[in-house]
Amino acid sequence: DGGITQSPKYLFRKEGQNVTLSCEQNLNHDAMYWYRQDPGQGLRLIYYSQIVNDFQKGDIAEGYSVSREKKESFPLTVTSAQKNPTAFYLCASSRDRDLSTDTQYFGPGTRLTVL
Amino acid sequence: QKEVEQDPGPLSVPEGAIVSLNCTYSNSAFQYFMWYRQYSRKGPELLMYTYSSGNKEDGRFTAQVDKSSKYISLFIRDSQPSDSATYLCAMSGTQGAQKLVFGQGTRLTINP
Repeated sequence: DGGITQSPKYLFRKEGQNVTLSCEQNLNHDAMYWYRQDPGQGLRLIYYSQIVNDFQKGDIAEGYSVSREKKESFPLTVTSAQKNPTAFYLCASSRDRDLSTDTQYFGPGTRLTVL
Repeated sequence: QKEVEQDPGPLSVPEGAIVSLNCTYSNSAFQYFMWYRQYSRKGPELLMYTYSSGNKEDGRFTAQVDKSSKYISLFIRDSQPSDSATYLCAMSGTQGAQKLVFGQGTRLTINP
């Protein structure tokens, strides 16, 4: 079964702690993305990667970090520097590196709550 | 002003009704237009994908793009309770690696 998996589905952390969200895809897609979704604000791009060992900041990268050591994996770390980390985090991937012409497919999401 | 505007709703209609969902945008460089459906606590799934202006039909769903007015629509015919979800429009341009820009999403409920 091809697809994108995110784990865990729900995550609770204390304020000031770093936390890493997992994203794995077995679609052999080149590009991967992380979005944050808040009520009434749609999806906002955090980071994206078009190829292994390379990634770029999106619109709201402050307080987040990523790595892309393997084609199938794109973990996101929410650091203590992120002022308001409680949100629904979505990982996506697309086949080609041209973000404008290839469709993005989403994982099931991770809901992070910082207490 | 946001690049993409979408009425967040909520929108509630009876089963069988025709539903119209809309987005407006300001960036004339947008060429690719998408509609995603998102059920509660799930990731969005691609519903429709269109390039430039015109209509595209897939079963009960029709996507329309009017680039002259910077306006896109999604029509759902014979709406079903299973269509109850949040619908997100998204769009992108053609130059290099531009990212997708999403609307805020419209929450739709189809009442049996």
